[in-house]
Amino acid sequence: GAVVSQHPSRVICKSGTSVKIECRSLDFQATTMFWYRQFPKQSLMLMATSNEGSKATYEQGVEKDKFLINHASLTLSTLTVTSAHPEDSSFYICSASLGDTQYFGPGTRLTVL
Amino acid sequence: GEDVEQSLFLSVREGDSSVINCTYTDSSSTYLYWYKQEPGAGLQLLTYIFSNMDMKQDQRLTVLLNKKDKHLSLRIADTQTGDSAIYFCAESRRTGGFKTIFGAGTRLFVKA
Repeated sequence: GAVVSQHPSRVICKSGTSVKIECRSLDFQATTMFWYRQFPKQSLMLMATSNEGSKATYEQGVEKDKFLINHASLTLSTLTVTSAHPEDSSFYICSASLGDTQYFGPGTRLTVL
Repeated sequence: GEDVEQSLFLSVREGDSSVINCTYTDSSSTYLYWYKQEPGAGLQLLTYIFSNMDMKQDQRLTVLLNKKDKHLSLRIADTQTGDSAIYFCAESRRTGGFKTIFGAGTRLFVKA
């Protein structure tokens, strides 16, 4: 139980385009999902907390207009990277809360050319 | 992860025990977690301990919590080459909303 999936697992896009990443809780409902970014050999940086049916809460320094988060249902949250730049290239990981425990997706590797 | 600290690297021989240490700062943490990350993959929850417990054992894994010193450790018995990965310590906080704060991760290297 407590499986979280992400799609796509890898994406390569051109500068200036937008990329959507999906995060799904497969066998449980999650009112809260989290989006993290991980740079090589570094820890996870929390970008935002996604709450079903309400606006996401962004961490300091994260541009809400650039990283659009939508949590339309109890099993799906999406992160859209708008007008992507090469510096947005990173590993994006989502997690979903079940009680006090977070379960993580496998991550999405974004490469912006 | 500035409030959760871990050593960055640990090397052990196959069959030995590995001990990964972590310190945290928030005394209000309710749960403390250990996650494992293999190259190019997401995080896998290994085990967790509730803040009112001192020890938890799960097969080869033993978690020790010293709440007074805010020190958490993960012991892996009979370490195997498949245990090579990055191990993240994390604490959950309920102050200002529910958040999980991660350490920088300890890279465990197991020599055959």
